[in-house]
Amino acid sequence: QQQVKQSPQSLIVQKGGISIINCAYENTAFDYFPWYQQFPGKGPALLIAIRPDVSEKKEGRFTISFNKSAKQFSLHIMDSQPGDSATYFCAASTQGGSEKLVFGKGTKLTVNP
Amino acid sequence: DSGVTQTPKHLITATGQRVTLRCSPRSGDLSVYWYQQSLDQGLQFLIQYYNGEERAKGNILERFSAQQFPDLHSELNLSSLELGDSALYFCASSVMGGAGEQFFGPGTRLTVL
Repeated sequence: QQQVKQSPQSLIVQKGGISIINCAYENTAFDYFPWYQQFPGKGPALLIAIRPDVSEKKEGRFTISFNKSAKQFSLHIMDSQPGDSATYFCAASTQGGSEKLVFGKGTKLTVNP
Repeated sequence: DSGVTQTPKHLITATGQRVTLRCSPRSGDLSVYWYQQSLDQGLQFLIQYYNGEERAKGNILERFSAQQFPDLHSELNLSSLELGDSALYFCASSVMGGAGEQFFGPGTRLTVL
């Protein structure tokens, strides 16, 4: 049972464009939603995270939009750069419990120069 | 650099063998998580330890076991290895009960021949 569904599987955008990755979750107990960025040969690195008490969080060129009623959240990368080319994972966890992360399958982003 | 260290970086072994992966969490983090990353299954939570005690179990095979020592480093033991165990194994650590951020190590790439 996949508790966090991520799409698309791969994404190609031009430099300067907007990259959008979507995730949907099933477990309403989830209350922490991070996005991780992973480069080849490296471990996942926390990019940005949101809790369900806000609908949007922005850090630099990265924005998370959260829709609690639809159980969906998305990552927007503005002014995408070739250096953003990586695999992005959405995840969810329940704070106060084990806090283990449930990951989406990942999106491979390629930003063409 | 996340502050989480993992050794070894690469491990090549044969079917039926046993290996031990080691993880040192960030200074001050009491919680250690182990994740397996494979092409078909993505990032899957295996097991979590908090201050030396097992806190949660995920999709961890009975052939796999882990422990967290008094100095908070953790070891993941994989035995009776099969070809399908070839994967990247990541350790992550967190404060737990705090902001929820998990910091991942660089991983151990296990190849079973």
